[in-house]
Amino acid sequence: SQTIHQWPATLVQPVGSPLSLECTVEGTSNPNLYWYRQAAGRGLQLLFYSIGIDQISSEVPQNLSASRPQDRQFILSSKKLLLSDSGFYLCAWTPRLSGNTIYFGEGSWLTVV
Amino acid sequence: GQQVMQIPQYQHVQEGEDFTTYCNSSTTLSNIQWYKQRPGGHPVFLIQLVKSGEVKKQKRLTFQFGEAKKNSSLHITATQTTDVGTYFCAEPYNTDKLIFGTGTRLQVFP
Repeated sequence: SQTIHQWPATLVQPVGSPLSLECTVEGTSNPNLYWYRQAAGRGLQLLFYSIGIDQISSEVPQNLSASRPQDRQFILSSKKLLLSDSGFYLCAWTPRLSGNTIYFGEGSWLTVV
Repeated sequence: GQQVMQIPQYQHVQEGEDFTTYCNSSTTLSNIQWYKQRPGGHPVFLIQLVKSGEVKKQKRLTFQFGEAKKNSSLHITATQTTDVGTYFCAEPYNTDKLIFGTGTRLQVFP
């Protein structure tokens, strides 16, 4: 069966520090991969999505970037965090040609101080 | 970014009361999905509706897709404390993306 792993689960970072969140999917190949952000008590905002290795689309201008160095690995990064980057970051995947039901990882709580 | 409107934003009910959340889109949808996010957790897929006027049930949950395929609702009969969480609708956007509604947070008091 397919599983998605995301880490770290929580982190507290100072303003101006770098960020790296990692996500891997197991049990499938060539998935679509996504990064969503959820501010406290708010909805889900799509940040990036990827249909293949090194193919990244950004949905909103921001202080973050994403990379997909391997088929089932998706990384969210920042060179210098801002206070407004705080939130709950969710990695997700969908099967490529099997509908668009989305499966989320456990999420990463980021607090920028 | 694009979002789908959901109402209400919050709903507090007494255990045993019913609950409904509504989702409205400006476009005709090919399908609509519903997800539940428990407090502190991640969203989990509940159901997908595809056909105009479709109604699906999962125990005490009833999902409906509008005749024009522009709106949808989720109704919970006789809420329980286990129903607490935020309910999101989600609609397909372009080919590979899913845009989530603003969510309705449900609180159930025992």
